[in-house]
Amino acid sequence: GESVGLHLPTLSVQEGDNSIINCAYSNSASDYFIWYKQESGKGPQFIIDIRSNMDKRQGQRVTVLLNKTVKHLSLQIAATQPGDSAVYFCAENWDTDKLIFGTGTRLQVFP
Amino acid sequence: SQTIHQWPATLVQPVGSPLSLECTVEGTSNPNLYWYRQAAGRGLQLLFYSVGIGQISSEVPQNLSASRPQDRQFILSSKKLLLSDSGFYLCAWSDGVGKAFFGQGTRLTVV
Repeated sequence: GESVGLHLPTLSVQEGDNSIINCAYSNSASDYFIWYKQESGKGPQFIIDIRSNMDKRQGQRVTVLLNKTVKHLSLQIAATQPGDSAVYFCAENWDTDKLIFGTGTRLQVFP
Repeated sequence: SQTIHQWPATLVQPVGSPLSLECTVEGTSNPNLYWYRQAAGRGLQLLFYSVGIGQISSEVPQNLSASRPQDRQFILSSKKLLLSDSGFYLCAWSDGVGKAFFGQGTRLTVV
């Protein structure tokens, strides 16, 4: 069935560098996308979202880019910090009742 | 503000025993409610969602069931647990426009 997937299961970056986490989605009907951060043993936390009528949205140190042509979503984290270490999930929604998650990418920040 | 409570945080149950996990939401009315399961190091699998009292949609066939006896209460149950039911169970709510907020999860180990 349709699903949201991720290109890289683990991403290691040096503290202070920028991080880019990628996500591919296959459902062309998806119109809403969310990035979540999950720390070990905790529930996912909302980071940033974007609707399909936009191609870029910025938050505090984070930017989400949406390329509908190639069905690609990315999360950019500026000046990555040790506290950014976590698993990051993208999720898509094409039905207001359901949110479908991808596999996740583990971000490791080293000094 | 809205809050979501999920308990217990951890649970160890023998194979064949029953299960009841409870989730409640405060500060909102008529939320969409969700149960997800997360295997170790994996993504989130949607198990059930509910758009109203007594309305349950099941996403995957399994040994589990869900009920919504009150507007802001969502219960995940099993009559007889299997080893394969072990995992991290997450309850979430949304206001119906896509963004979901998660509880802290229940780590279930079936032995």
